[in-house]
Formats: sequence, C-alpha cells, structure tokens
Amino acid sequence: GAGVSQTPSNKVTEKGKYVELRCDPISGHTALYWYRQSLGQGPEFLIYFQGTGAADDSGLPNDRFFAVRPEGSVSTLKIQRTERGDSAVYLCASSLTPGREWDNEQFFGPGTRLTVL
Amino acid sequence: GESVGLHLPTLSVQEGDNSIINCAYSNSASDYFIWYKQESGKGPQFIIDIRSNMDKRQGQRVTVLLNKTVKHLSLQIAATQPGDSAVYFCAENRANNAGNMLTFGGGTRLMVKP
Repeated sequence: GAGVSQTPSNKVTEKGKYVELRCDPISGHTALYWYRQSLGQGPEFLIYFQGTGAADDSGLPNDRFFAVRPEGSVSTLKIQRTERGDSAVYLCASSLTPGREWDNEQFFGPGTRLTVL
Repeated sequence: GESVGLHLPTLSVQEGDNSIINCAYSNSASDYFIWYKQESGKGPQFIIDIRSNMDKRQGQRVTVLLNKTVKHLSLQIAATQPGDSAVYFCAENRANNAGNMLTFGGGTRLMVKP
C-alpha cells in the first residue's frame, strides 16, 4: 500500500519568500508529525497533530512556521519570510494512533529538501 | 541525492561480520526507545523498539539492548549485509509526552565492505 508521501521532493527558494510543504499521511492514520533534519543531525520534532488539531507545536522554532491539517488527513507546513537557516530536510510521519503502545510505529515520508538561497 | 549525515561517526565492518551501534540518552524519564535506519534520500525506517521494563529485545537479525543504569542503548546487527549500509539513529519517547513525539540522537553511519 501507499506510504507517506511528501511534495515537493525539493524546493529552492530565495530568502524572504513564503513556502508550503505538503504531507499526505497513510490513509486512516490519525496522528501526524513534522520533523526537521539538518545535515549531519537526527530529525528534530516540530509539531504533532491528532486529527485536525495541533496537539503539540512546541517544536516550531518561531512564529514564521505554521502548520495545518484542516480535514484530518493532508497537512501543510508553511514557512513565512524564509531564512537561510531554514534550509533542511522536512520530514513528515504518521501513525495509526498517537499512543505509546507497542507497534505504534511512525512511518516517515521521504522528506522535502528545502534550500533557501 | 545528498547524503544524510556527512559528519556523522562512522562504523565500517566487513560483510558477514556482526555490527554494534551504540547510543547514549540523557533523560531518565524516557521509557520507550526506537532504532531507525535512514538511507540516503529517504526518511527514517523503523527497525526495532524496546520499553524500559525490558533490557533486551530481538528481531530478525537485530537485537536491541538497553542499560538503564548508564542510560545506554545498543543495536546489534548479525551477519551484516551491504544493504545494511545506512545511517542509524536511536530515538527516545519521554514518559511525559501524551503523544508519540520522538527525540533523536545524532546518528551513526554504518558502512559495510564487501
């Protein structure tokens, strides 16, 4: 079956521009997560959705970052006034439930590589 | 695409040998740990997980060991194959999280020599 998909796979933008990154989770997964991965580092948590609501956005670095999931499925990560330091791979993951039980695996998408010139 | 983790610690092993990748965690409140494998240009892929009430868990060719006393995790891969070459991350899920947000370690690159 289809896994988590993310579009675009690569995005190059200029400093100060606005970008949107899209995540299509696995069908039926209620929990959706966004992470950011800088070169040479592990992914860092940004925001978590349970259904349509953002249950935890404590990882968003500042108010230039915002994410939505209006229908509880597809999510969009939005970055305003991009800065060079925003360059990274943005990963999306989904899981069947948000709980911490056994086998509640987070399935990751391939990521969107964002480059801010 | 560009490789993940150009500046990561690297473990180089011969094909067929066993590999051991180590990870230290800092939060004693963490009670759920996962190992992920990440190949270049792809997202992390789940390998195996373990809860803090266990000290060992085995999967297919992989074993995770947890030492809570020194806050240390290890991933053992038996009979390492070229397809195991990737960057490996440990991740922890802290006990006070309502959801399943993960905190990842810095990663280790595994290179398997044929």
